[in-house]
Amino acid sequence: GQQVMQIPQYQHVQEGEDFTTYCNSSTTLSNIQWYKQRPGGHPVFLIQLVKSGEVKKQKRLTFQFGEAKKNSSLHITATQTTDVGTYFCAGGYSTLTFGKGTMLLVSP
Amino acid sequence: DVKVTQSSRYLVKRTGEKVFLECVQDMDHENMFWYRQDPGLGLRLIYFSYDVKMKEKGDIPEGYSVSREKKERFSLILESASTNQTSMYLCASSPHGREQFFGPGTRLTVL
Repeated sequence: GQQVMQIPQYQHVQEGEDFTTYCNSSTTLSNIQWYKQRPGGHPVFLIQLVKSGEVKKQKRLTFQFGEAKKNSSLHITATQTTDVGTYFCAGGYSTLTFGKGTMLLVSP
Repeated sequence: DVKVTQSSRYLVKRTGEKVFLECVQDMDHENMFWYRQDPGLGLRLIYFSYDVKMKEKGDIPEGYSVSREKKERFSLILESASTNQTSMYLCASSPHGREQFFGPGTRLTVL
């Protein structure tokens, strides 16, 4: 079945540094979604990418979908302590296959 | 705002007990999902439903069953709870092909 791999598993940065998490699928994806889960919370939807090569921005967050629609990335510029949490990518249409997530810690 | 509620935030049960986890959504979404989340394993799909009385197995359905008698309600049932079912259980709902909205989760401990 479809597998979605995410790296790194964990990253600890100083506030103000940039952060990137990468997502790779074993199969071509119809779309990819990104979610954020704060410590003690539940996953919250961030964005959905559908088109090959698509790039979307949300303030300091930049999301990319690869040309082959098999990989994606999330880049955060100048991290803040409020960015702390686990970021998940998920691929699929009716059902989603989630990556295992990247846990981001930000030290002030 | 979409609201997905789950019947309990924390639940402690004994091995062999029958456990019911309830999920209710208020946005008339067709799709509903049950996941379990374990450290290092991410979110794994247990069962999902496209419509009332419809259910489909996810990746890890063994030991679980579900019920969807009304569109807004999706129940997860552990017929005979075991210690390896100790986990965080997350319910989600979505319109077809769109983002999923998660409930707050139920942390189940089976002793």
